[in-house]
Amino acid sequence: DVVMTQSPLSLPVTLGQPASISCRSSQSLVYSDGNTYLNWFQQRPGQSPRRLIYRVSNRDSGVPDRFSGSGSGTDFTLKISRVEAEDVGVYYCMQGTHWPWTFGQGTKVEIK
Amino acid sequence: EVQLVESGGGLVQPGGSLKLSCAASGFTFSTYWMSWVRQAPGRGLEWVAYMNQDGSEKNYVDSVKGRFTISRDNAKNSLYLQMNSLRAEDTAVYYCVRESGRSGGYWGQGTLVTVSS
Repeated sequence: DVVMTQSPLSLPVTLGQPASISCRSSQSLVYSDGNTYLNWFQQRPGQSPRRLIYRVSNRDSGVPDRFSGSGSGTDFTLKISRVEAEDVGVYYCMQGTHWPWTFGQGTKVEIK
Repeated sequence: EVQLVESGGGLVQPGGSLKLSCAASGFTFSTYWMSWVRQAPGRGLEWVAYMNQDGSEKNYVDSVKGRFTISRDNAKNSLYLQMNSLRAEDTAVYYCVRESGRSGGYWGQGTLVTVSS
């Protein structure tokens, strides 16, 4: 199975400051159709996961533009330009290129 | 508005069976791949199974192969997960997910399955 490794696992951030989460895969995530199926999810406390970013850098409808995704091959990053209180939660990267689709361990974002 | 409402969870003994259902509304169910994803208490996420629009393509994570069966009824806008030979390690919240290109587009609120004697 493809192993997704996130860092850091805990991320205390000051309100209004930027945050960055790294995700590395054990294999290239480029699929045979040329797309890279690397996605990012946010799970707020007590809620189900919500997709933020699909295929590396495409923001979902309704997702604030302070969230952005980048990367290629095996190295990917989720950035929050200015953290707000509503961003508290656990963030997961997920690959949909190789079955079984797998998630990273999660990065817990909290306010300092 | 897209809605996915899971049901059927509960407490079951090891070796027992349970059938989860997911009622979909707010979109054309028959045109989407669908999945089940689970999350053990306090743990991360695990993709359990997916199936395509007409059921001709399905796939399962190794840990549930031969025990779980994903199915759908497009006429009833419903997705199912039949779970047999349940084990303690199957204890989790099970989410119904509407797929949009290998990327887990939209998730329901989940239903809790507890396997314990």
